[in-house]
Amino acid sequence: GQSLEQPSEVTAVEGAIVQINCTYQTSGFYGLSWYQQHDGGAPTFLSYNGLDGLEETGRFSSFLSRSDSYGYLLLQELQMKDSASYFCAVRGSYQLTFGKGTKLSVIP
Amino acid sequence: EAGVVQSPRYKIIEKKQPVAFWCNPISGHNTLYWYRQNLGQGPELLIRYENEEAVDDSQLPKDRFSAERLKGVDSTLKIQPAELGDSAVYLCASSFRANQETQYFGPGTRLLVL
Repeated sequence: GQSLEQPSEVTAVEGAIVQINCTYQTSGFYGLSWYQQHDGGAPTFLSYNGLDGLEETGRFSSFLSRSDSYGYLLLQELQMKDSASYFCAVRGSYQLTFGKGTKLSVIP
Repeated sequence: EAGVVQSPRYKIIEKKQPVAFWCNPISGHNTLYWYRQNLGQGPELLIRYENEEAVDDSQLPKDRFSAERLKGVDSTLKIQPAELGDSAVYLCASSFRANQETQYFGPGTRLLVL
């Protein structure tokens, strides 16, 4: 089976930096994805790490360490619109297995 | 480019009633997924289609759930009869191919069973 652990809630101040961690136990690991979901909205793809290291996309960065079964999503220059749930998801050969999500609240 | 379209957006039914959800994936996407998302949880895969073939339905409760993807485009997910525990958001997603890194999700159908 597969299991993922991520914090349930995180609060951060507008303009600050926040890191959301994700640890996983899985077989058939191909990579780690991150999705954002606003309340009532569709999950939207943010980032993917197939190899160890850091991937940067604008204000968002994602990191993976396969040896530690660990990854994180880094959000910089937080904006109020970043308030949402963030899911890490393990990519197997043909499917995604999602964590329970981290609810990020950005406060002024 | 239009995204994944789902309807209805909301549905309220009484237990034991049937219900159906419809999904139109992004044009050209061969792989279609149905997920269920319970409150405070991540999406959980119910079934995956490659064109019109259901290639992974191991998580679909087959006693009451059924799905079809005629002609390999639109798909319908049905529950009959619905139970209280089926209250959730049902998400449809698509990708060009099965092992693509990105899945594109629709807005979901929020089901409430009373």
